[in-house]
Amino acid sequence: EAGVTQFPSHSVIEKGQTVTLRCDPISGHDNLYWYRRVMGKEIKFLLHFVKESKQDESGMPNNRFLAERTGGTYSTLKVQPAELEDSGVYFCASSPDRGNYGYTFGSGTRLTVV
Amino acid sequence: GESVGLHLPTLSVQEGDNSIINCAYSNSASDYFIWYKQESGKGPQFIIDIRSNMDKRQGQRVTVLLNKTVKHLSLQIAATQPGDSAVYFCAESGRNNAGNMLTFGGGTRLMVKP
Repeated sequence: EAGVTQFPSHSVIEKGQTVTLRCDPISGHDNLYWYRRVMGKEIKFLLHFVKESKQDESGMPNNRFLAERTGGTYSTLKVQPAELEDSGVYFCASSPDRGNYGYTFGSGTRLTVV
Repeated sequence: GESVGLHLPTLSVQEGDNSIINCAYSNSASDYFIWYKQESGKGPQFIIDIRSNMDKRQGQRVTVLLNKTVKHLSLQIAATQPGDSAVYFCAESGRNNAGNMLTFGGGTRLMVKP
């Protein structure tokens, strides 16, 4: 079984530019989550999709972040315009159902805004 | 690696010794706890979990202890091996959290000396 795949693995962009991160969950997993760890801080929840619907987006820091999951398969997380404080590692995870807490994480995308 | 620049508490142990990694949590409503291992360049990997109706759970070479009175969680690794070197995170989820959102601790870096 293929795991959770994230692309790109690394991205370096200038402040003010736009970046789009992609996550391909494990096939058949309805639940998809985005987390991030910014420098010096713990991993924090951003949002949760159930299929194509946003179940909980309470962790999204501001309206520069937009997440989508068209068709309930892969998801994208767009940051526009990027700011220096957005630098960090963005993780995606998926799980087959809401009761299965032990979900699978991807390897993350390291975003550096310069 | 992903943790460059992140000031994590570090536990250094000799190969073959037992390791104990501790975590404190603050949410008394949390009823599910997980330990994750994160190696450089990878996402968090599930190690072991425990529900609040238990105080101890054992896996292969790992044991998780939960003390709800003082809101403390620990991970014990028996006969630590070089491959155990990684950053370890505890995470919690509450019964009021319908979306399976996890709250992570800050992480502890385990270094195993050969």
